[in-house]
Amino acid sequence: EIVMTQSPATLSVSPGERATLSCRASQSINSNLAWYQQKPGQAPRLLIYGASTRATGIPARFSGSGSGTEFTLTISSLQSEDFAVYYCQHFRSFGQGTKVEIK
Amino acid sequence: EVQLLESGGGLVQPGGSLRLSCAASEFTFDNYVMSWVRQAPGKGLEWVSTISGSGSGTYYADSVKGRFTISRDNSKNTLYMQMNSLRAEDTAVYYCARGDYTFDWWGQGTLVAVSS
Repeated sequence: EIVMTQSPATLSVSPGERATLSCRASQSINSNLAWYQQKPGQAPRLLIYGASTRATGIPARFSGSGSGTEFTLTISSLQSEDFAVYYCQHFRSFGQGTKVEIK
Repeated sequence: EVQLLESGGGLVQPGGSLRLSCAASEFTFDNYVMSWVRQAPGKGLEWVSTISGSGSGTYYADSVKGRFTISRDNSKNTLYMQMNSLRAEDTAVYYCARGDYTFDWWGQGTLVAVSS
């Protein structure tokens, strides 16, 4: 079973700043990685699939990169609506999440 | 726009049963693999089960295998999860989601609480 590990657990960022979230796979998963955003009381929303392809309607400030075992989600300039929990996922395995909070 | 609407959650005693439903609309339901993903209170996401478009293939997390049964009725555009022998650790919001390798649409979730 492939284990997905996210870091950090919590990221404190000021509005307008860049946020960089990391996800590591316990073995190579090529580019088979997705990122989701979840706000309190809401369902997750797909942001990125195939490690770097934005889902429909996702703003360009969200970008994904990486392959193999190391992946990154970058939010170029944080907006108020971006403060949320972010999960990476490979197949049926999710990371534990990174909470992006206001600094 | 794709819509997924779960129902059937509630409070149940340990050892009890529940059946969740997920009504799908605005897409060709039988063309898609469907899944259930759950989230315990204050915790992360956990994949539970997946079913192929035809319903012939089903897959389960070890934590629910032998207790939960996923099914679908393509004539009704509805996904189901029969949950038996429920345990306290099954307490969670249960989401239906379209897909398997990537979950591109999610329902709003239904809360299952297992407690005496």
